[in-house]
Amino acid sequence: GEDVEQSLFLSVREGDSSVINCTYTDSSSTYLYWYKQEPGAGLQLLTYIFSNMDMKQDQRLTVLLNKKDKHLSLRIADTQTGDSAIYFCADGDTGRRALTFGSGTRLQVQP
Amino acid sequence: SAVISQKPSRDICQRGTSLTIQCQVDSQVTMMFWYRQQPGQSLTLIATANQGSEATYESGFVIDKFPISRPNLTFSTLTVSNMSPEDSSIYLCSVLGLRDEKLFFGSGTQLSVL
Repeated sequence: GEDVEQSLFLSVREGDSSVINCTYTDSSSTYLYWYKQEPGAGLQLLTYIFSNMDMKQDQRLTVLLNKKDKHLSLRIADTQTGDSAIYFCADGDTGRRALTFGSGTRLQVQP
Repeated sequence: SAVISQKPSRDICQRGTSLTIQCQVDSQVTMMFWYRQQPGQSLTLIATANQGSEATYESGFVIDKFPISRPNLTFSTLTVSNMSPEDSSIYLCSVLGLRDEKLFFGSGTQLSVL
């Protein structure tokens, strides 16, 4: 079945860049997402990328997609303490519409 | 983006009882889903809520335990039946927008079963 994997934890200093990585197995994935979850809250859609793209930039966020290796990354520039949260990678395909989520990466930003 | 209202936001329930969670969207959407997030874990899809017909359940989830309704394009309910402590989780409603492939989430229902 489909599988999405992420590292569990990342710690960075305020002002540094953060890079959160994700790998997926479903070759039919047509779009990939990054969500942010703060404690006690629902999921906030941060950004997404279609599988025919290899990069997308949105303010401090840069998404890189290597479709050949099925590898997705999220780079957060100038990381702030408010970026501390759990980040979920998810993939989907047009046939199924529902998403498969990774286990989430907890980002801790040290002041 | 779609605005999703989910309620209750949290509840504490007794073993053996049932809880119905409501999800209301401010605009028509193509698809609605229900997810579960167990403590410290990722999200697992429970079912796809189909308008006017029975929901489509994922492996490991059954209608008797998680009955779902979707009477129209903007509203759905999920019931957690005959609850046990193992049902303690966050339950999240999500919707797929009409215009694009973005999946939006409600704020979730934090359920604790004693």
